[in-house]
Amino acid sequence: SQTIHQWPATLVQPVGSPLSLECTVEGTSNPNLYWYRQAAGRGLQLLFYSVGIGQISSEVPQNLSASRPQDRQFILSSKKLLLSDSGFYLCAWSVGFEGSEQYFGPGTRLTVT
Amino acid sequence: SQKIEQNSEALNIQEGKTATLTCNYTNYSPAYLQWYRQDPGRGPVFLLLIRENEKEKRKERLKVTFDTTLKQSLFHITASQPADSATYLCALHTGGFKTIFGAGTRLFVKA
Repeated sequence: SQTIHQWPATLVQPVGSPLSLECTVEGTSNPNLYWYRQAAGRGLQLLFYSVGIGQISSEVPQNLSASRPQDRQFILSSKKLLLSDSGFYLCAWSVGFEGSEQYFGPGTRLTVT
Repeated sequence: SQKIEQNSEALNIQEGKTATLTCNYTNYSPAYLQWYRQDPGRGPVFLLLIRENEKEKRKERLKVTFDTTLKQSLFHITASQPADSATYLCALHTGGFKTIFGAGTRLFVKA
């Protein structure tokens, strides 16, 4: 069966520090991968998605970036965190047609202080 | 711009009753609409997907309707249980690999 891992589960970082969040998927090949951010009481905001290795689409201009160095690995990064980067970061995967359902990881709670 | 609205007020119902949650959208004609469940501090869990040419979809105690004329989806949980208490998210496929999510409606089922 397929599983998705995210780490770390929680993170507290000072303003201006770098960020690296990692997501890996097991049990499927060539998945579509997504990074979302969820603010308290808000919907999920799509940040990046990837349909293949090295292929990244950015949805929101920001100081974040994403990379997909391997088929089932998706990384979210920042060189310098802002207070507004705080939130709940979720990685998800899907396969098949474009509107197919997505399967989410456990999330990373990021607090920028 | 595309907009998706779910009732921001929590829905409180008694165990055994049917819970009905609403999702309204504007400025788009999605080919697919999805519902997810999210528990506090956890990632969303996929429940049901309905296509634009389907009026209704069922899975166990869950039922989703999709009215493309009204631009509305209704999500029903029959014979609700306290374990059904969670936030339920509506999501629209907006083209390519993009899906937009509503903010969700919190459901509380009282024993």
